[in-house]
Amino acid sequence: GAVVSQHPSWVICKSGTSVKIECRSLDFQATTMFWYRQFPKQSLMLMATSNEGSKATYEQGVEKDKFLINHASLTLSTLTVTSAHPEDSSFYICSATSGTSGGAGYEQYFGPGTRLTVT
Amino acid sequence: KQEVTQIPAALSVPEGENLVLNCSFTDSAIYNLQWFRQDPGKGLTSLLLIQSSQREQTSGRLNASLDKSSGRSTLYIAASQPGDSATYLCAGSYYKLSFGAGTTVTVRA
Repeated sequence: GAVVSQHPSWVICKSGTSVKIECRSLDFQATTMFWYRQFPKQSLMLMATSNEGSKATYEQGVEKDKFLINHASLTLSTLTVTSAHPEDSSFYICSATSGTSGGAGYEQYFGPGTRLTVT
Repeated sequence: KQEVTQIPAALSVPEGENLVLNCSFTDSAIYNLQWFRQDPGKGLTSLLLIQSSQREQTSGRLNASLDKSSGRSTLYIAASQPGDSATYLCAGSYYKLSFGAGTTVTVRA
């Protein structure tokens, strides 16, 4: 149990276009989902926390208008990278938890990641 | 600030040797501590989760200990195999997960 999927697994887009990444919890209801970014040979950096039906909470330094997050249902969250630029190229990983209180203390289940390359 | 540190950054051992990976955290008020494995270009695979009230967890060849008072967790992998080569990340669970930078392990056949 506790499977999280991401789609697509990799995407190449041209500079200036927008890209949407989906994160789905397949066998549980995710009250809270998280979006992380990982640069090569570095650890995961939390970008934002989203709760179903609420606006996402962004970490300091993360541009809200550039990285749009929608958590429309208990099984789906989307991250849209708007007007993508080469510096947005990265590995994006989502996680999900069924815990409340923003997920604090609850186990997070991670998706397989999405490799974004902006040319 | 909730900082998580992993030392060493990289480790190379011959097959069959036991692995010891270290994780330290500055804030002992963690809910739990998780160990993950990450293969190149892949997502995270959860290995072990230790609740703050526990001192260790075991799964097969893996054993993880937690000492909140000293702010340390250790992941032991017994009788390492080439397939254990990967990056191992620890993460302390506070309001959010705080990740260490990882230890990249190479097990030589």
